[in-house]
Amino acid sequence: AQTVTQSQPEMSVQEAETVTLSCTYDTSESDYYLFWYKQPPSRQMILVIRQEAYKQQNATENRFSVNFQKAAKSFSLKISDSQLGDAAMYFCAYRVVGGADGLTFGKGTHLIIQP
Amino acid sequence: EAGVTQSPTHLIKTRGQQATLRCSPISGHTSVYWYQQALGLGLQFLLWYDEGEERNRGNFPPRFSGRQFPNYSSELNVNALELEDSALYLCASSRTGAHNQPQHFGDGTRLSIL
Repeated sequence: AQTVTQSQPEMSVQEAETVTLSCTYDTSESDYYLFWYKQPPSRQMILVIRQEAYKQQNATENRFSVNFQKAAKSFSLKISDSQLGDAAMYFCAYRVVGGADGLTFGKGTHLIIQP
Repeated sequence: EAGVTQSPTHLIKTRGQQATLRCSPISGHTSVYWYQQALGLGLQFLLWYDEGEERNRGNFPPRFSGRQFPNYSSELNVNALELEDSALYLCASSRTGAHNQPQHFGDGTRLSIL
């Protein structure tokens, strides 16, 4: 069974600083997608960034970037120039290409932005 | 473009009752997914519908069921409610069932069992 582990239940960062959220996953599959979702207190899950496992280049979306290490099965999210609006729960998720399941999520990291 | 809409926002039931949760996907999206977000358990995959067919279900008992209508909206039914069913139920839609398609989530239905 695939599992996704987020080892940091909570992280805190000063506004304008950089923070990295970690995620590791366990799979025997070679083709899959990885995602980071953000869930603010309003509770709607918002896609932050996604990575295709067969692509070596790390995905980037404005202030958000990932460090994808396929051999290590690691998929960390870096948030640069943190803003108050970045405060939320962040979930790492995984989906196998050709699999029949939905997304497999980690337990989440609560990100606090200190003004 | 309207996002994924879920109703009701909050639903309060007692043990043994039945609950029906509804989801309208983004226009043009054919795939609908249901997830349960229970305290301490994180988000767990419940059901996946695509083009009107159930594609797969997660590790949940048969009293969790649903369907997808011809307009691609979906309904989740939970029978014989138990206290442990208290959770936020999230619906997501994607343009197709392809695995590279991002899933767009609704605001969820908070189901409380008394």
